[in-house]
Amino acid sequence: ETGVTQSPTHLIKTRGQQVTLRCSSQSGHNTVSWYQQALGQGPQFIFQYYREEENGRGNFPPRFSGLQFPNYSSELNVNALELDDSALYLCASSLLGVGETQYFGPGTRLLVL
Amino acid sequence: RKEVEQDPGPFNVPEGATVAFNCTYSNSASQSFFWYRQDCRKEPKLLMSVYSSGNEDGRFTAQLNRASQYISLLIRDSKLSDSATYLCVVNLNFGNEKLTFGTGTRLTIIP
Repeated sequence: ETGVTQSPTHLIKTRGQQVTLRCSSQSGHNTVSWYQQALGQGPQFIFQYYREEENGRGNFPPRFSGLQFPNYSSELNVNALELDDSALYLCASSLLGVGETQYFGPGTRLLVL
Repeated sequence: RKEVEQDPGPFNVPEGATVAFNCTYSNSASQSFFWYRQDCRKEPKLLMSVYSSGNEDGRFTAQLNRASQYISLLIRDSKLSDSATYLCVVNLNFGNEKLTFGTGTRLTIIP
C-alpha cells in the first residue's frame, strides 16, 4: 500500500451543491497533487500543493479550489457542482524534487445527479 | 493534438504471448516518463520509470526515444495477472510534478 488515504470513498451530490474531499499524504512527503479521472479517460491534473501553497494548476475552473495543511494533508473543494464533475478524484503524494514518483490514494468516486 | 497519445485498445492477448504498447508525447521539453498500471476501479500504480537507455524489470521492458518523442512498453510471457489498463505518463516540469496521462491501453490476457 502507498500510505496515501482519501475520504470519503464514495459520494453522491446534486447539481449546484458543494463538496470537500480529503487526502492524507504518505509520511515524509511534502507535496499533494489532485487529479480528476472521468470514466474511460486518464487522470487529468487539477492542481498541486507544496508546503501549503498552490504550486501549479491544470485547466480547471476556479470553482475547483484546494488547501494544504501544516501536516501536508490536503482538501479539494468543488463549488457549484455540475453533472460533468462526476468522476474519480485521485490525490497523489510525493516529495518535491527531480522526477520524484507520485503515489496515489485509492480515490473518491463522486457522482453528481 | 493530445499531449500524450496511446492506442486505447482493447488488446486481447493469449497467456504467454508478448505484447507491446506504444505512446507518443507532444512536448519535446518533457522531463521524465513513466508507465503506470491501473486495475479496474483502483488507483494508478507506478509500474516503471522510462529512461533513454532503456530499462528492464523482470518481464517488463520500457524504452524512450526522445528524438521521436515515443515511449514503449514490452511485456513478455504475459500472465493473467497482467490484465489491467496501462497508462503512459509524462512529467512536463521538474519542480512542479504535473503528470500528464494518456487515456490508457486496456489489456486482457486470455487463458
